Amino acid sequence: SQTIHQWPATLVQPVGSPLSLECTVEGTSNPNLYWYRQAAGRGLQLLFYSVGIGQISSEVPQNLSASRPQDRQFILSSKKLLLSDSGFYLCAYKKGGGETQYFGPGTRLLVL
Amino acid sequence: SQQGEEDPQALSIQEGENATMNCSYKTSINNLQWYRQNSGRGLVHLILIRSNEREKHSGRLRVTLDTSKKSSSLLITASRAADTASYFCATGPLPQGAQKLVFGQGTRLTINP
Repeated sequence: SQTIHQWPATLVQPVGSPLSLECTVEGTSNPNLYWYRQAAGRGLQLLFYSVGIGQISSEVPQNLSASRPQDRQFILSSKKLLLSDSGFYLCAYKKGGGETQYFGPGTRLLVL
Repeated sequence: SQQGEEDPQALSIQEGENATMNCSYKTSINNLQWYRQNSGRGLVHLILIRSNEREKHSGRLRVTLDTSKKSSSLLITASRAADTASYFCATGPLPQGAQKLVFGQGTRLTINP
């Protein structure tokens, strides 16, 4: 069976500090990977998606970046966090040829 | 730009009643999916309906799709307290399109005991 992990679960960071959120998938190969951000009580905003190692598509211009160093690893980063980066970050994967996305448990980020 | 728009934004009903949520979208789609999100958790896939289907059932869930009106509805029958959650529709791309879903803003459903 497939599983998806995200860590950390919660994070409190000062403005201007760096960020690294990690997402890993088990039990499937060559998945599509996605990073979303969700503001409180709102819908999902797609930030990045990847169809393969080293292939990143950016959806929203911002101070965040994403990398996919391994097939089942997706990392969301920032060099300097802004207050507006606070939110709930969700990672998801889609099996190759599939149509459904499977979501991780999320990381709640608070930038102070 | 946001593809799916849910209506209503919030819905509060009594346990045992039926809950209906609607979703409208703007462009051609391959499929439409509904997801549920419990507070502070990730989304869970509920049901997928393809563009050539008009209705689909899964347990207490019934989804309809009207491609001429670019709209879908999710009906939850005999609601339970455990159905309290946010519900999102998401449109799936045509095969030649970018492999991403576009989510609506969601409907927050509260089931009162």
